[in-house]
Amino acid sequence: DAGVIQSPRHEVTEMGQEVTLRCKPISGHDYLFWYRQTMMRGLELLIYFNNNVPIDDSGMPEDRFSAKMPNASFSTLKIQPSEPRDSAVYFCASRGTGITGELFFGEGSRLTVL
Amino acid sequence: EDKVVQSPLSLVVHEGDTVTLNCSYEVTNFRSLLWYKQEKKAPTFLFMLTSSGIEKKSGRLSSILDKKELFSILNITATQTGDSAVYLCAVHGSGNTGKLIFGQGTTLQVKP
Repeated sequence: DAGVIQSPRHEVTEMGQEVTLRCKPISGHDYLFWYRQTMMRGLELLIYFNNNVPIDDSGMPEDRFSAKMPNASFSTLKIQPSEPRDSAVYFCASRGTGITGELFFGEGSRLTVL
Repeated sequence: EDKVVQSPLSLVVHEGDTVTLNCSYEVTNFRSLLWYKQEKKAPTFLFMLTSSGIEKKSGRLSSILDKKELFSILNITATQTGDSAVYLCAVHGSGNTGKLIFGQGTTLQVKP
């Protein structure tokens, strides 16, 4: 298996622009998580899905952030409009059924908003 | 609110030293505790602990959980420069929703 695949790996954009990050989870995994990592705040859970349904989006910073999972093999995290404070590494992770299962991370998308 | 706290936040040692990293937690309906190692890219899985007092071991790394005192430790013996990384502790809690909450990490630097 190719693992969790994220794109783009790096994104540099200007304030006010729309940013879309993409994730393909490991086939057969029914949980998908979006995390944001910064030096100041560490790894923060933004939202997670179970069987394509958003379960908890309490970590989404504000209305500028939205996430979708239209099918079991694809998810997007969108920021519109982007701001410099959104600069971070965004990780997507997936895991299989079972409460205690290991989380598998993608390589991350490094976002810089100028 | 569920919380995971790691200490120390950073640590500098020399090759051959032994280090102990700490993780304490407050979560509703604890399920499991996981340790990850993060170098330049994505976190990679080290251990998962669900029962108190049972040590998990992999080479020079070992970990144990104390569910009564709500903490875990990660030990690394005979450290090497390749052990330099951020070590993350994460806990499954909040009922059975499957959410994984991470601590802020411990940055370990091993000098030659």
